[in-house]
Amino acid sequence: KNEVEQSPQNLTAQEGEFITINCSYSVGISALHWLQQHPGGGIVSLFMLSSGKKKHGRLIATINIQEKHSSLHITASHPRDSAVYICAVEGYSSGSARQLTFGSGTQLTVLP
Amino acid sequence: DVKVTQSSRYLVKRTGEKVFLECVQDMDHENMFWYRQDPGLGLRLIYFSYDVKMKEKGDIPEGYSVSREKKERFSLILESASTNQTSMYLCASRLAGVDTQYFGPGTRLTVL
Repeated sequence: KNEVEQSPQNLTAQEGEFITINCSYSVGISALHWLQQHPGGGIVSLFMLSSGKKKHGRLIATINIQEKHSSLHITASHPRDSAVYICAVEGYSSGSARQLTFGSGTQLTVLP
Repeated sequence: DVKVTQSSRYLVKRTGEKVFLECVQDMDHENMFWYRQDPGLGLRLIYFSYDVKMKEKGDIPEGYSVSREKKERFSLILESASTNQTSMYLCASRLAGVDTQYFGPGTRLTVL
């Protein structure tokens, strides 16, 4: 069983819709990351969470540590939001090079 | 702006060839990482480095080696390429103790 599970794997929405992508994990973590990957490969970090909620523009990320669950929400979705969204968790480590374990990603397509 | 560059966007090699993938970052980051990304499997850590000449195995190091002779440069080496190493390879860097990993654009390697 993967340590990080994302759902759905694929999501198609109409422009303007509210979108939710879910991430569940099975291990204790120190932080959870949401990343965005556009066609062509480049990955950008969107959020890092250890508790509660963060908002950046139309993107909102929440985490429930007790339930080992996080959600990424996109309000008023736009075709430019079409990308793969990746959840990654960071375990506890005494070293500085803290490693991430990644989910397999959610392919989002927003239609005009 | 942090910049992580990779030597090639696309690379085609033959089975048995020695392959070098180069990654350079310009922000004096201590930590550097090599991942491969395959459909349905997400990103998997091959090797990482937390300092010059220091390296640690990730989850899937078999068939790979790395070199970090200078702080800004982290090389991934396939000693004898095989077809199952056909993949997207992504490099990332991170300042020690800081949360965000910065990713390069990726190298899509095809081994024939």
